Amino acid sequence: KNEVEQSPQNLTAQEGEFITINCSYSVGISALHWLQQHPGGGIVSLFMLSSGKKKHGRLIATINIQEKHSSLHITASHPRDSAVYICAVGDNTDKLIFGTGTRLQVFP
Amino acid sequence: DTGVSQDPRHKITKRGQNVTFRCDPISEHNRLYWYRQTLGQGPEFLTYFQNEAQLEKSRLLSDRFSAERPKGSFSTLEIQRTEQGDSAMYLCASLSTSTDTQYFGPGTRLTVL
Repeated sequence: KNEVEQSPQNLTAQEGEFITINCSYSVGISALHWLQQHPGGGIVSLFMLSSGKKKHGRLIATINIQEKHSSLHITASHPRDSAVYICAVGDNTDKLIFGTGTRLQVFP
Repeated sequence: DTGVSQDPRHKITKRGQNVTFRCDPISEHNRLYWYRQTLGQGPEFLTYFQNEAQLEKSRLLSDRFSAERPKGSFSTLEIQRTEQGDSAMYLCASLSTSTDTQYFGPGTRLTVL
């Protein structure tokens, strides 16, 4: 069993839909990260969470430490949101353990 | 923009050859991480440096792999006697300790024929 599990693996949506990506982890963490990866490899950090909830524009990330679960929400999705979204957990050295990613495609 | 840079972006080599990749982190970041990503998978940790000291190596890093960060600035990752299973995207990231955020380079895509 992977230490970081994401669901779904693939997700398609119509423009404007509300999207949720889930992440569960089984190890102790210092923080949880949500990252976005576009074709060609570039990875961008979206959020780092150790508790509660963070919001940035149309993106919202939540974490429940007791349940070892996090969600990434995208409101009013747009085709430019199409990418792979990766959940990763960091330990006390800040090295990251990654999930396998969720491939999101948003169609106009 | 002085983000993390990696060189080369693509490398095609024949099995058995040695390859070396370079990562230039953001200048004020003292932590540098190497990850490897195969197709359809999330990245996997390989090793990391705090300044010039290599503090941790993954079990994924066989004896054919070596990484250095001699002056605590740029880092190199060398793979000796490459194998087809080494084909992957090699990602470098540097860490801002003020935000605990890792900034990733564009990666070096290695293809071993």
